[in-house]
Amino acid sequence: RKEVEQDPGPFNVPEGATVAFNCTYSNSASQSFFWYRQDCRKEPKLLMSVYSSGNEDGRFTAQLNRASQYISLLIRDSKLSDSATYLCVSNGGDSSYKLIFGSGTRLLVRP
Amino acid sequence: EPEVTQTPSHQVTQMGQEVILRCVPISNHLYFYWYRQILGQKVEFLVSFYNNEISEKSEIFDDQFSVERPDGSNFTLKIRSTKLEDSAMYFCASSGGQIAPDEQYFGPGTRLTVT
Repeated sequence: RKEVEQDPGPFNVPEGATVAFNCTYSNSASQSFFWYRQDCRKEPKLLMSVYSSGNEDGRFTAQLNRASQYISLLIRDSKLSDSATYLCVSNGGDSSYKLIFGSGTRLLVRP
Repeated sequence: EPEVTQTPSHQVTQMGQEVILRCVPISNHLYFYWYRQILGQKVEFLVSFYNNEISEKSEIFDDQFSVERPDGSNFTLKIRSTKLEDSAMYFCASSGGQIAPDEQYFGPGTRLTVT
């Protein structure tokens, strides 16, 4: 079983749409969770950390369900500039700082 | 805004040669990392470094690899006797800021091509 699993997509949505990505992780000892975005041939850029209480940053909302080992990202009012690959990430387990990346979900926002 | 920098942006080397990839982490960060991404694949952890020693490493990080912090600002990854399968994008990252110590920030990467 993959450590962090995501639907590869692509998700093809019109501008202004709301889109949701889901992710599952296998290591119940993981403590930290993140969403990164990655543009083609560029570095991963931190989008947001994910907390148990859920967190929101502008148009982006992230949720964590520890019981189901499930993480989600909601993007509202999609912009053309949101087109990228979204990487679901967990840490390697209790007291581990290594990041475990999912393979990413590709988002294409069309005019 | 502080950022991680890496040099060179692209390195071409022949199989069997040694390469050194360089990184300057964010200045007040305490933890440093190397990751790699083979074209079309996911980002993979190689090694983490704290307090001048390796704190964690993956199975990929074998005796062919080494890391060093030669001075107060640089963090290097050395790959000895490169192989074709070492061709990848290598990302340096750092973390340990006061506000969110576990958030890792990545440099722009070095594209390594082994011929």
